[in-house]
Parts: sequence; structure tokens; C-alpha cells
Amino acid sequence: DAGVIQSPRHEVTEMGQEVTLRCKLISGHNSLFWYRQTMMRGLELLIYFNNNVPIDDSGMPEDRFSAKMPNASFSTLKIQPSEPRDSAVYFCASRPGDPRVSGANVLTFGAGSRLTVL
Amino acid sequence: SQQGEEDPQALSIQEGENATMNCSYKTSINNLQWYRQNSGRGLVHLILIRSNEREKHSGRLRVTLDTSKKSSSLLITASRAADTASYFCATSGYSTLTFGKGTMLLVSP
Repeated sequence: DAGVIQSPRHEVTEMGQEVTLRCKLISGHNSLFWYRQTMMRGLELLIYFNNNVPIDDSGMPEDRFSAKMPNASFSTLKIQPSEPRDSAVYFCASRPGDPRVSGANVLTFGAGSRLTVL
Repeated sequence: SQQGEEDPQALSIQEGENATMNCSYKTSINNLQWYRQNSGRGLVHLILIRSNEREKHSGRLRVTLDTSKKSSSLLITASRAADTASYFCATSGYSTLTFGKGTMLLVSP
């Protein structure tokens, strides 16, 4: 398995432009998490899905951010319009099964998408 | 918040020495995990310790958990240059993980 795959790895854009980040889950995983990492705030959970359904989006900073999971293996995180303060590394991570059953909550991370908004 | 806080923020040691990193958290947890992040990469899971466990080993890693003090420690024995990375603790309820800001470990040859 190739693991969690994110694209693009690097994105440089200008303020006001739309940005779309993509994530492909590991086959068989049914939960997906989007995190944002900055030096100041560390790793912040933005949103997570279970079986394609958004469960908790309380970490999404504002309405400019939206995330979708159109099928069981793919997700997008969109920022429209982008702002310089959105510059960060965005990670998606996936998890198999239900931790309430398995008793564990181990995530597999992608390599991240580094976003720079000028 | 369940967010863990690692201590120290940065640690510099020589190869062969042991490295100890600590994590404190605020609320009750289901389990606590440690992850490693190499520069420019995603996080990689190292070890998980459940709330009813006090100590766990995996290779050169030893993790302890003290739920009464809401703290955990990660010990890396006989460190190698390849251990240079950032290390994060993550506290878990049942569904989500909350990460601390990490300890940057530099192991010099």
C-alpha cells in the first residue's frame, strides 16, 4: 500500500486565490482527519470524517475553509479566498475501524501539503 | 483541552546517550501516543500506551504513563543520528487525537 497520498506537496499562491488540497486514504481506512501545522500553533485538527460523513468540523477556522469526502477513498480541503495567514503545512491522516471497538486510535499521516499564500 | 505539552522544547545530545522527553496533559484520556516527525515529512506513529498501563517498551523506546500526575515520558536509549526529529505526544479520547507542539531532538555523531 502506498500509504496516505497528498497533493500537491507544495503550493504557492497569491492572496485571494482558491486553493484545493487533495488526499487519498489508505484502502480499507474509514476515518479521515485534516490537520494544519504551524510553528506558532502546532498541529491543529481542522475536521474529521467517519465513513464519509463529517463528524467534527469545529476546528475549521472560518467559512473560507471547506472539506469534502465525495467517496470512501478521497477528500479535498478547499480554501477560498486564501489569505497569507493560511500559510501552513496541511496534513491528512487516516485510521482503520472504530476505536471504540479496537480500543486504539492510531493515525497514518500523509507527507503534507506546504501552502504559501503571498 | 486535552492538548499535551512536551518538555523540553529542544534537546541536543551525542550519539549513544539517552534522550528523555516529557509530556503533560490536562484531562482524562483513553490512551496516549507518541509520534515522530522528520523534517519535511508527515508524522509517524511510534508507540501507544493505554490509560490502564504504566510502562511500555518497543525496541529502544520506553514510555511511561502516570495518570495521577497526567504525565508521560518517552525515553530513547542509545540514541543514533537517525533519531534526529521532532517528537510529539498525542492524547486520545475515543475519536480524535490532540497533539502537543513537540520536542525537537538533535543527535550529533
